[in-house]
Amino acid sequence: AQRVTQPEKLLSVFKGAPVELKCNYSYSGSPELFWYVQYSRQRLQLLLRHISRESIKGFTADLNKGETSFHLKKPFAQEEDSAMYYCALSGAGANSKLTFGKGITLSVRP
Amino acid sequence: KAGVTQTPRYLIKTRGQQVTLSCSPISGHRSVSWYQQTPGQGLQFLFEYFSETQRNKGNFPGRFSGRQFSNSRSEMNVSTLELGDSALYLCASSPLAGANTGELFFGEGSRLTVL
Repeated sequence: AQRVTQPEKLLSVFKGAPVELKCNYSYSGSPELFWYVQYSRQRLQLLLRHISRESIKGFTADLNKGETSFHLKKPFAQEEDSAMYYCALSGAGANSKLTFGKGITLSVRP
Repeated sequence: KAGVTQTPRYLIKTRGQQVTLSCSPISGHRSVSWYQQTPGQGLQFLFEYFSETQRNKGNFPGRFSGRQFSNSRSEMNVSTLELGDSALYLCASSPLAGANTGELFFGEGSRLTVL
């Protein structure tokens, strides 16, 4: 079975503060990990995936297989980062479906 | 390039009725997946269609079904509606089969209310 846990529902920070959104997963094989984001009144969209190893909008996420984690980080939060963030996992073959965490609301205050 | 289009955007049904939701993927995308989003359970995978074939199915009862047409458009159907079926139903498309192959492009969803 594949499972994604986002332990916090809400994170509120001031502009310029560092941000870390936590994500832990459970999967017996080699997972593909993603972060999806939903800004206010917009559709759900991909932020980044671990295999691309990119920094998108200043966000990075490192896959830690030992700790089964894929935390999302940004050194200096901006107000436009306020959104709902979902961590998601996909396996392969019959497990190649997205399993989402419950999501976390990031609120960046001015 | 037009995004994923879902219709209808909102609908209200009563218990026992059935409903059909439609999804038009991005042009050239052959995979269409459906997800149910509720406050309690979050986003849950329903099924995926690729080239008119269901290639994957989530843990939902048989009342939930779907199909895909030759132009890649997809429909999902829920029969004998229950109050718990009230949810936002999201459709996502991608060029290749399987969520592990790349980005899923989501529609805005169809919000179903069952009274």
